[in-house]
Amino acid sequence: GAVVSQHPSWVICKSGTSVKIECRSLDFQATTMFWYRQFPKQSLMLMATSNEGSKATYEQGVEKDKFLINHASLTLSTLTVTSAHPEDSSFYICSARILRGTYEQYFGPGTRLTVT
Amino acid sequence: AQKITQTQPGMFVQEKEAVTLDCTYDTSDQSYGLFWYKQPSSGEMIFLIYQGSYDEQNATEGRYSLNFQKARKSANLVISASQLGDSAMYFCAMRGGTGNQFYFGTGTSLTVIP
Repeated sequence: GAVVSQHPSWVICKSGTSVKIECRSLDFQATTMFWYRQFPKQSLMLMATSNEGSKATYEQGVEKDKFLINHASLTLSTLTVTSAHPEDSSFYICSARILRGTYEQYFGPGTRLTVT
Repeated sequence: AQKITQTQPGMFVQEKEAVTLDCTYDTSDQSYGLFWYKQPSSGEMIFLIYQGSYDEQNATEGRYSLNFQKARKSANLVISASQLGDSAMYFCAMRGGTGNQFYFGTGTSLTVIP
């Protein structure tokens, strides 16, 4: 149980375009999902916390108008990178949290974004 | 503020030997959780083991054990009988803060030598 999927697993887009990444909890409901960004050989950096039915909470330094997060249902959160630039190229990972026990986060397999 | 420190950027271990990956943390929370994740080159984050701040016994999961020393604020991961498939990045994480967020260390790259 506790499977999180991400789509797409990799995407290449041209500079100036927007790209949407989906994060789904497949067998459980997640009121809270998280979006992370990871540069090569570096740690995961929390970008934002996504709560179902409310606005996302962004970490300091993350542009909320550039990284649009929507958590419309208990099983789906989306991250849209708007007007993408080459510096947005990164590995984006989502996670979903279960509100019981250890408050463990279950991670998606990640999406590799390359902006040309 | 919460902080996780992993001081070993890279580690090598001989196959079938044990290895310890270090992790120290800093928090003022009374209740927190400590996690270890494995990230192979494919990028997925694989949960390995969990230790709660109130757990008195060290957590174990198969070949993984967590050496929890609360007073020293350390949560080292011990992998016994290393296998070639253990080669990966390993991240220590702490759940804490007002939002029960995860705070990750910088990771340790483990290479198992045949």
